[in-house]
Amino acid sequence: SYELTQPPSVSVSPGQTARITCSGDALPKQYAYWYLQRAGQAPVLLMSRDSQRPAGIPDRFSGSSSGTTVTLTISGVQAEDEGDYYCQSADSSGLHHVFGSGTKVTVL
Amino acid sequence: EVQVLESGGDLVQPGGSLRLSCAVSGFSLTTSYMNWVRQAPGKGLEWVSVIYSGGSTVYADGVKGRFTLSRDIAENTVYLQMNSLRAEDTAVYYCARAPYNDSSAFYQWGQGTRVTVSS
Repeated sequence: SYELTQPPSVSVSPGQTARITCSGDALPKQYAYWYLQRAGQAPVLLMSRDSQRPAGIPDRFSGSSSGTTVTLTISGVQAEDEGDYYCQSADSSGLHHVFGSGTKVTVL
Repeated sequence: EVQVLESGGDLVQPGGSLRLSCAVSGFSLTTSYMNWVRQAPGKGLEWVSVIYSGGSTVYADGVKGRFTLSRDIAENTVYLQMNSLRAEDTAVYYCARAPYNDSSAFYQWGQGTRVTVSS
């Protein structure tokens, strides 16, 4: 089955930049989406179609894509950005959604 | 205001059945793709199933043949019928909405309903 690979954890100091990668063979053909899940809460959509921010998402969040890897960048990290980040995409058929294994972001 | 509210989670024995409900408001099921995503204790997100705006469904391999997704447009409710439940189906089940023009973007999520499969 199709898999998306993320680093397990990223640590960053407040005000610094955090980058979270997500790799998958179908990413050149399928869009990627990013979600933040804070402890005990439902996920929130952060990024759509690789690099489009939904309304209400701060502009310190940005997304990019290059080949089989997509990247979520958080510029000027704040304490409230701590949580689990998941990428999501579809397999090559486009029918089945897949989530990455998640990256825990810790703000030092 | 767009709202998604799951219900129906419970403790059930292995091999048993359970039906989850997802009541929505603020939008139409006929212009949205409704998904179920689950999260086992301490684990990541796992996509389960989707019902398209036209009513057709797709399932993850791990639940295909055991889970059935349906909807009642008049009641603005989506149902996930889960049969032959296994211990590995234990999870919080989220209902998530994607708009028809960006069918992979799960914009709205409910708060989840907990399913525990155990004897």
